[in-house]
Amino acid sequence: QKEVEQDPGPLSVPEGAIVSLNCTYSNSAFQYFMWYRQYSRKGPELLMYTYSSGNKEDGRFTAQVDKSSKYISLFIRDSQPSDSATYLCAMSAMGIQGAQKLVFGQGTRLTINP
Amino acid sequence: GAVVSQHPSRVICKSGTSVKIECRSLDFQATTMFWYRQFPKQSLMLMATSNEGSKATYEQGVEKDKFLINHASLTLSTLTVTSAHPEDSSFYICSASGGADGYTFGSGTRLTVV
Repeated sequence: QKEVEQDPGPLSVPEGAIVSLNCTYSNSAFQYFMWYRQYSRKGPELLMYTYSSGNKEDGRFTAQVDKSSKYISLFIRDSQPSDSATYLCAMSAMGIQGAQKLVFGQGTRLTINP
Repeated sequence: GAVVSQHPSRVICKSGTSVKIECRSLDFQATTMFWYRQFPKQSLMLMATSNEGSKATYEQGVEKDKFLINHASLTLSTLTVTSAHPEDSSFYICSASGGADGYTFGSGTRLTVV
């Protein structure tokens, strides 16, 4: 069993739809949860960063963490064609300022259709 | 925000030759750098972790003699793929820890070995 599981998709939705992306994990030591966006042939860029359980909102993006279920989600409201990318969840037992390695999900390919 | 420059973005080499990929942190000192490999439609697989001035720590299954990592300064790490073979063709991405955003990724290098 992989430490982090993420449905690779592909996921295709119409413009304006609400998108829900999810990851599950097995390592209870994970405390820091991140969502990265990766455009084709580019490096990942950090979208959201949360610590422990709870919600965090940034513009059209909302990240949720449920540690009791070992389940994290990223919601995208009013999705735009420019949101089309691969979304990767990543986790760490230590904060992003440390040198702890990240464990990534497989990534979900998302396409927003105009 | 923190910027990591990775070069070259794309390289084609003949089988048996060596290729060097550079990763530079432009506006911060990267105490730790990570090298990843990414196959099409798959997630990032950590290859090794390097700290400035010390030997890199390789993940299980990664050949240290084939993938040489040098982290001679706080702003530069290099990955050299020695005696490259077609199966080494992949997308290689570096990440640096130490900037304000935590982990900052380079834009990746697409290596094709012919």
